Amino acid sequence: GAGVSQSPRYKVAKRGQDVALRCDPISGHVSLFWYQQALGQGPEFLTYFQNEAQLDKSGLPSDRFFAERPEGSVSTLKIQRTQQEDSAVYLCASSLGSGVVIEQYFGPGTRLTVT
Amino acid sequence: AQSVTQLDSHVSVSEGTPVLLRCNYSSSYSPSLFWYVQHPNKGLQLLLKYTSAATLVKGINGFEAEFKKSETSFHLTKPSAHMSDAAEYFCVVSWGGSYIPTFGRGTSLIVHP
Repeated sequence: GAGVSQSPRYKVAKRGQDVALRCDPISGHVSLFWYQQALGQGPEFLTYFQNEAQLDKSGLPSDRFFAERPEGSVSTLKIQRTQQEDSAVYLCASSLGSGVVIEQYFGPGTRLTVT
Repeated sequence: AQSVTQLDSHVSVSEGTPVLLRCNYSSSYSPSLFWYVQHPNKGLQLLLKYTSAATLVKGINGFEAEFKKSETSFHLTKPSAHMSDAAEYFCVVSWGGSYIPTFGRGTSLIVHP
């Protein structure tokens, strides 16, 4: 069966460009998470969706970051006016349930490099 | 703020010898504890989880971890390392039923032949 997929796998953007990162969760999974993983660090929470509702966006580092999941399946993380500090791996994860943390299934990530 | 500390950034073992990856967390208030593994160019995969059942948790690929509340620790062990165990390992904790997990910085396991 298909796991979580993310595209593109690699993205190089010039400083100031807008980027859009896509996540296809496992079909039927209610919860979807976005994380940012800087080099040599563990993933850090960005935002959480339960179906189409964005229940928590407390981890988004600035108002340049925006995420959506309009139909409760595919999600897009958009970064406007990219800066060098945005360079990181962006991970998407989905889980079958909601609420209390249960097993999350992670995608391979999108490596964003801002030059 | 709650925190997760992985005490070693790198652990190097020989194939066939025991593995110990250490994890401590900042508060004992109703933690849910997980270990994930990340192989290069692959997504993180759940190894095992503790959610208030037995304190000794068995996971996939021969790994296990013991929840010690008094020590606020959740160390990961394996009796005999295999070359395929070489990867990055993350200790993950959430508190009080929160859906937001906190990741440790990761421990890179190196296995020598």
